[in-house]
Amino acid sequence: DGGITQSPKYLFRKEGQNVTLSCEQNLNHDAMYWYRQDPGQGLRLIYYSQIVNDFQKGDIAEGYSVSREKKESFPLTVTSAQKNPTAFYLCASSALSVQGELFFGSGTQLSVL
Amino acid sequence: AQSVSQHNHHVILSEAASLELGCNYSYGGTVNLFWYVQYPGQHLQLLLKYFSGDPLVKGIKGFEAEFIKSKFSFNLRKPSVQWSDTAEYFCAVLMASSYKLIFGSGTRLLVRP
Repeated sequence: DGGITQSPKYLFRKEGQNVTLSCEQNLNHDAMYWYRQDPGQGLRLIYYSQIVNDFQKGDIAEGYSVSREKKESFPLTVTSAQKNPTAFYLCASSALSVQGELFFGSGTQLSVL
Repeated sequence: AQSVSQHNHHVILSEAASLELGCNYSYGGTVNLFWYVQYPGQHLQLLLKYFSGDPLVKGIKGFEAEFIKSKFSFNLRKPSVQWSDTAEYFCAVLMASSYKLIFGSGTRLLVRP
């Protein structure tokens, strides 16, 4: 059953803590993305990666970091430098041959304790 | 900076009413255009797309969209909505030769039976 798996579904962060959101895909897609969704603001791009070991900043990369050591995996770390981390985080992937056609995961809701 | 505007944040319609959701973007070059939909409790998914050719494109579930280059617009339409169309709709723009997909803020559609 092909798709994108995000975990955990819910995550709580304490003050000063780094947390990592997992994203795995078995669609054999080269490109992967992280978006942040806030009510009334739509989806804003945090980071994206077109190939392994390479990634680019999106519009709101400050306070976040990513890695792309494997094609299937694109974890997102929300660092303590991100002062307003409470949001819904969506991971997506796409084939390079069909740019813009993204497949999304079910998301992770991050909240601050 | 490139941006995508969706002017209607909330739309309420009765079943069988016609729907038109506005989408405008700011970018002077070649673009690929998309509408994504998020039904309650489901993943965000592609509704329709425009890459080139006929500016009137048809998607799933009877939706269509028209690309008007001179107006930088890509409005979504459906002649007769159903209760099952209740969802949040996102317009998205991909600049040519880029993997960076930019989303609008979304429109929540509520269809009353």
